[in-house]
Amino acid sequence: QSALTQPASVSGSPGQSITISCSGTSSDVGGYKYVSWYQQHPGKAPKLLIYDVSNRPSGVSSRFSGSRSGNTASLTISGLQAEDEANYYCTSFTSTSTRYVFGTGTEVTVL
Amino acid sequence: QVQLQASGPGLVKPSGTLSLTCAVSGASISSFTGWSWVRQSPEKGLEWIGEIYQSGATNYNAALRSRVTISLEKSKKHFSLQLTSVTAADTALYYCARIEVGEYYFDHWGQGTMVTVSS
Repeated sequence: QSALTQPASVSGSPGQSITISCSGTSSDVGGYKYVSWYQQHPGKAPKLLIYDVSNRPSGVSSRFSGSRSGNTASLTISGLQAEDEANYYCTSFTSTSTRYVFGTGTEVTVL
Repeated sequence: QVQLQASGPGLVKPSGTLSLTCAVSGASISSFTGWSWVRQSPEKGLEWIGEIYQSGATNYNAALRSRVTISLEKSKKHFSLQLTSVTAADTALYYCARIEVGEYYFDHWGQGTMVTVSS
């Protein structure tokens, strides 16, 4: 089971919107609604941002939103802020014996 | 506030057994939830290892299944990971995380504990 494909890096200026893609297959991203996104600051544990493709847990800013089209999921960060500088990972339930597959990770830089 | 704290030896010899514990506070380890292990390394990124539910049912990543055992110590409020026959490829930061039964995302994570496999 290969990792889900994410761009290595995405950057934007404060206030802008950026989108991070997460490309998988029909066995994972395209086949199940169980795509989640995590934010990880250096030296910290991942933090849940989005679950079930587009749901936000309580306490997570509405600036974070998720969507999916076919085998590709996306995370959009609106009104980019300096504190959004971090690594972002998608993950999906998969029908393969791996059960969960993570994305390769995207480093977000706020210019 | 659910809190998880992973701990264990930071150094394991090749061919040895990696043993880690995750202490759970702020939630009942016997509640309707599952408890997972995830590891992270520069080479492989994030990798799901396995999970255990309050019933004792387990699921493991097939790539590691022959070497992994996850157990639940309800009275001690912790769950454990054992990984046998370790090699340098098992060097990673190991996280424990919570997953709700019927859900497929990790809503709480521990801080992680670094394990190096080296002689």
